[in-house]
Amino acid sequence: AQSVTQPDIHITVSEGASLELRCNYSYGATPYLFWYVQSPGQGLQLLLKYFSGDTLVQGIKGFEAEFKRSQSSFNLRKPSVHWSDAAEYFCAVAPGSSNTGKLIFGQGTTLQVKP
Amino acid sequence: DAGVIQSPRHEVTEMGQEVTLRCKPISGHNSLFWYRQTMMRGLELLIYFNNNVPIDDSGMPEDRFSAKMPNASFSTLKIQPSEPRDSAVYFCASSTLGGTEAFFGQGTRLTVV
Repeated sequence: AQSVTQPDIHITVSEGASLELRCNYSYGATPYLFWYVQSPGQGLQLLLKYFSGDTLVQGIKGFEAEFKRSQSSFNLRKPSVHWSDAAEYFCAVAPGSSNTGKLIFGQGTTLQVKP
Repeated sequence: DAGVIQSPRHEVTEMGQEVTLRCKPISGHNSLFWYRQTMMRGLELLIYFNNNVPIDDSGMPEDRFSAKMPNASFSTLKIQPSEPRDSAVYFCASSTLGGTEAFFGQGTRLTVV
């Protein structure tokens, strides 16, 4: 069965520090991978996605993620965190290109940013 | 574009009452998804439609839940009768068939007391 694991439920970083949020997936074929962000009381906003090609993908707000097939991982990174990045982050996998809204989400990682 | 529009944003109802959540997808999108977010289970897909036709409702928790999409611009998720364990945030999302991104609404926070 397809699944997504985000090992870190809660992460705290200082403003200006680098960030890495971990995501591991279980899927038989090449997955379609996504990172979404949810600010308090808001919906989900897509940060970036990976379908194929270059394994390092750039997203909005200065985020990037790297797909590593050998490790079944798709970790999200940002070189310098801003206070406005405090939110909940979700990694997700879609079974194919025909329905990229049919998503399996990880449990989420809550990011707290210290001043 | 106004994005995916959900109403109401907040709903408080008493156990046993009928609840109807509404969603207007982005114009031109022909896939629509209903998700539920809870602390215990996280984000889970309830049902989705392609071209107004329900494709997969395996995530609908019980017969108390039903969803309809009478036309391309409107969908409802109904809970009858509601129970306290239905308290959650319900999200609607839409995309184009074969599109590379689903767009989420702001969600409806449902509280059943």
